[in-house]
Amino acid sequence: GAVVSQHPSWVICKSGTSVKIECRSLDFQATTMFWYRQFPKQSLMLMATSNEGSKATYEQGVEKDKFLINHASLTLSTLTVTSAHPEDSSFYICSARGQGVETQYFGPGTRLLVL
Amino acid sequence: EDQVTQSPEALRLQEGESSSLNCSYTVSGLRGLFWYRQDPGKGPEFLFTLYSAGEEKEKERLKATLTKKESFLHITAPKPEDSATYLCAVQTPYGQNFVFGPGTRLSVLP
Repeated sequence: GAVVSQHPSWVICKSGTSVKIECRSLDFQATTMFWYRQFPKQSLMLMATSNEGSKATYEQGVEKDKFLINHASLTLSTLTVTSAHPEDSSFYICSARGQGVETQYFGPGTRLLVL
Repeated sequence: EDQVTQSPEALRLQEGESSSLNCSYTVSGLRGLFWYRQDPGKGPEFLFTLYSAGEEKEKERLKATLTKKESFLHITAPKPEDSATYLCAVQTPYGQNFVFGPGTRLSVLP
């Protein structure tokens, strides 16, 4: 149980385009979802927290107009990187947590390369 | 400020050579401490949750323990497939977010 999927696993795009990443909880209802960014050989950096049906809470220094997060249902959250630039290239990972559960279960990650 | 540190940064073991990884934390209150394993290019895989000092959890060759200031992940007779980065994270009572440590990169040589 507690499986989280992400799609796509890999995306290459041109500078200036927007990219959408989906995060789904497959076998449980995720009341809270988290989006992280990870650079090579570094730990996870929390970008934002979203509760189903509410606006996301962004961490300090994360541009909310650039990284749009939508948590429209209990099984789906999306991260849209708008007007992507090469410096946005990174490994993006989502996690999900169910009601009354403290553990976060992570997706497999999405590697974004902006040319 | 809540902080989580992990040591060593990297560890190289021979197959069968047991060792321990450390996770030290300074937080205003502990709601839970979590251990994850992360393979290169993949998302973290959940291993254990510990809630109170003295608690221990085991899974195959891994055992996690918790004190008031730190947690240890003991690896007994490791195998090459145990090679990964091990991350610990803490959750404080007043927030729903995790504070992650930087991780320990473990390499087990055959």
